Amino acid sequence: QKEVEQDPGPLSVPEGAIVSLNCTYSNSAFQYFMWYRQYSRKGPELLMYTYSSGNKEDGRFTAQVDKSSKYISLFIRDSQPSDSATYLCAMSATGANNLFFGTGTRLTVIP
Amino acid sequence: EAGVTQSPTHLIKTRGQQATLRCSPISGHTSVYWYQQALGLGLQFLLWYDEGEERNRGNFPPRFSGRQFPNYSSELNVNALELEDSALYLCASRSLAGVWNEQFFGPGTRLTVL
Repeated sequence: QKEVEQDPGPLSVPEGAIVSLNCTYSNSAFQYFMWYRQYSRKGPELLMYTYSSGNKEDGRFTAQVDKSSKYISLFIRDSQPSDSATYLCAMSATGANNLFFGTGTRLTVIP
Repeated sequence: EAGVTQSPTHLIKTRGQQATLRCSPISGHTSVYWYQQALGLGLQFLLWYDEGEERNRGNFPPRFSGRQFPNYSSELNVNALELEDSALYLCASRSLAGVWNEQFFGPGTRLTVL
């Protein structure tokens, strides 16, 4: 079983839709949860991170962590064509130096 | 502030050859990570260097190796290239002074093995 599972998609939505991206994990030691966005032919860039359980909001983006279910989500409201990218979840345990990544979900927002 | 830089952008090699990829971290970052991003497999951790020492390596054969220089830049070497080594190789840097494992990525080197 992989440490982190992520639906690879692809996911295609109309502009303005609400997008839900999800990851599950198996390691209960994970405490830091991140979402990276990767545009075509670019390196990943950090979008949001959360520590432990709970929600975090940043503009149109909301990250949720449910540690009891070992499940994290990223919601994108009012999606824009510029949101078209691959979204990668990543996780880390406290004090650890490795990040564990999901395979990424490719999102296309259609104008 | 300049970000993480990698060179070359693209590299084409044939089976059995050696490839050398380079990475310059963000100024002040002492840690460099290397990842392989093959199609459909996500980012696979390769190597971690800090203060010139290899600190950890992922589940890759010994023909993947590297080093970190005194200026914290790093080099990844892949010997005896195989077709399945074709991938995007990403370098990330991090400051260990941070409270959590935030890594900043470069644009990657696209390696194609023919």
